Amino acid sequence: SAVISQKPSRDICQRGTSLTIQCQVDSQVTMMFWYRQQPGQSLTLIATANQGSEATYESGFVIDKFPISRPNLTFSTLTVSNMSPEDSSIYLCSVEAGPYEQYFGPGTRLTVT
Amino acid sequence: GQQVMQIPQYQHVQEGEDFTTYCNSSTTLSNIQWYKQRPGGHPVFLIQLVKSGEVKKQKRLTFQFGEAKKNSSLHITATQTTDVGTYFCAGRYTGGFKTIFGAGTRLFVKA
Repeated sequence: SAVISQKPSRDICQRGTSLTIQCQVDSQVTMMFWYRQQPGQSLTLIATANQGSEATYESGFVIDKFPISRPNLTFSTLTVSNMSPEDSSIYLCSVEAGPYEQYFGPGTRLTVT
Repeated sequence: GQQVMQIPQYQHVQEGEDFTTYCNSSTTLSNIQWYKQRPGGHPVFLIQLVKSGEVKKQKRLTFQFGEAKKNSSLHITATQTTDVGTYFCAGRYTGGFKTIFGAGTRLFVKA
């Protein structure tokens, strides 16, 4: 298993600003994933982040809007840029700590006003 | 595109009743995972199934993977209030590293 922490746990931001979410894992992992979850909805994959390479973004998500850093095997950041109210959501990072076993951080609840 | 369908969307049961949620894919899966998300919490890994026809049990929870590896189910026997939450199936396709989540089934248990 893996223990994952995320910061901040929640934030209220004004439209047009940016927020960087941090994700820290207690062990070294190859891939980290960033998801978005609207209340009562399923999880939507934003991007996959490998250490030392550019993140791979899913359809509908672009690097300019959601830049990701992955400086080492235990840490990643996701920035939500030029925010609008539509970006209000829960953002979750996850890692694969065993074959096909994903472990999630506690999430960052973002509200954009 | 690749999609994992999950039904029902919601299920209300009386405590002690059984509960089942189903997942289906139009394409063969290499494996399927199940997660539970409590209200206000994050998804927690429950189990993974890899083999065709595989059945696994965790106390009152029984997980099945279809023979064709296109469908799966989670059955809870004699539900308890602690079972409340949303259950997600998530599948991975051969050669892929992306996990595709179903829509989830939200379970409500009335004491």
